[in-house]
Amino acid sequence: KAGVTQTPRYLIKTRGQQVTLSCSPISGHRSVSWYQQTPGQGLQFLFEYFSETQRNKGNFPGRFSGRQFSNSRSEMNVSTLELGDSALYLCASSREGGYDEQYFGPGTRLTVT
Amino acid sequence: GQQLNQSPQSMFIQEGEDVSMNCTSSSIFNTWLWYKQDPGEGPVLLIALYKAGELTSNGRLTAQFGITRKDSFLNISASIPSDVGIYFCAGRDNFNKFYFGSGTKLNVKP
Repeated sequence: KAGVTQTPRYLIKTRGQQVTLSCSPISGHRSVSWYQQTPGQGLQFLFEYFSETQRNKGNFPGRFSGRQFSNSRSEMNVSTLELGDSALYLCASSREGGYDEQYFGPGTRLTVT
Repeated sequence: GQQLNQSPQSMFIQEGEDVSMNCTSSSIFNTWLWYKQDPGEGPVLLIALYKAGELTSNGRLTAQFGITRKDSFLNISASIPSDVGIYFCAGRDNFNKFYFGSGTKLNVKP
């Protein structure tokens, strides 16, 4: 069974630009969650999508948004990038998002200059 | 966001030694998960715990869900060099949100 895939793996952007990251969950998984990982703040929950609907949201500004498609693939968008947005962005999928384990992708390393 | 208290922050041990790390929270969790993360990669699930008091093993790894539902520990027996990495605990609350510990960095000297 293929794991969670994320593209691109590495990205360099300039302040003020916007970026879109993609996540393909494990086949059969309907829940996709996004996390931001930084050395200072650790792993922080961004949002969860289930059946194309945002089901949970963390405490991030509106510049961070996401969506999920009918095939459960998800995209995350960050607009007006700031230096502090430099991080490893991880997505995780699970079957139902409830009493299920999450399986993480390898992450997208975003560097904002 | 909420963070779990995970300790120790880092450990330097000799190959063959046993390792123990734990997480505590001020909130009750319904699920405790333990992950291992290698540099530049996403966390990999090691053990999932669903019931208070549950003790689960995965090879040389053993984890327990505390009976108060506010803590969990992970033990690694007879450590080997490939155990090197960062270990994270995660707890899921009643609102299905996951919170992560700050990680325990494990170094194993051959």
